[in-house]
Amino acid sequence: GENVEQHPSTLSVQEGDSAVIKCTYSDSASNYFPWYKQELGKGPQLIIDIRSNVGEKKDQRIAVTLNKTAKHFSLHITETQPEDSAVYFCAANFLGGSYIPTFGRGTSLIVHP
Amino acid sequence: DTAVSQTPKYLVTQMGNDKSIKCEQNLGHDTMYWYKQDSKKFLKIMFSYNNKELIINETVPNRFSPKSPDKAHLNLHINSLELGDSAVYFCASSLHSRAGLAAEAFFGQGTRLTVV
Repeated sequence: GENVEQHPSTLSVQEGDSAVIKCTYSDSASNYFPWYKQELGKGPQLIIDIRSNVGEKKDQRIAVTLNKTAKHFSLHITETQPEDSAVYFCAANFLGGSYIPTFGRGTSLIVHP
Repeated sequence: DTAVSQTPKYLVTQMGNDKSIKCEQNLGHDTMYWYKQDSKKFLKIMFSYNNKELIINETVPNRFSPKSPDKAHLNLHINSLELGDSAVYFCASSLHSRAGLAAEAFFGQGTRLTVV
């Protein structure tokens, strides 16, 4: 089945700095790579996604890049703000013959004012 | 309007009891999931249903039994609760799971289960 590795597990930055979270996946059949943000006491919520036919996607301060050959994808947050503090999850979508979101272990991002 | 709603939000119960968590989505999605999030925040898929049919059961003990009465509901029943079942359980739904039609999963607010 799909295996998604995510690094780092914790990331601490100063407000205004950039943050980068990296993920790798194992199953080349995966074709959809979403990123979720989970705030305390809430369920994960999609912030950006990318499909396998695209190499990069940007939405304001957030961008995602995908390298299909190397099977890795990254989340980039620029000009971080304290409200960006949360747990971020990457996911790939192929598991056991079906398209099921399979998550990395999460990155706790802390943005210091 | 809440897209994916699950009840209860908190559940405290004793070992050996049987409990249920209910989930409903009003998004018209045909695929629903249950995830377990442990104390280290790891989100692990437990079950996935597509059009009321089970498509994934990820080595979950048979004390856990999902039930989908219709496409909009996926309930989770747990028998003989154990201490290790303590976690946050998330219900989610998405539009399709078949090849080439992957889409965003929408999550409920979670149910924090504490077994004492």
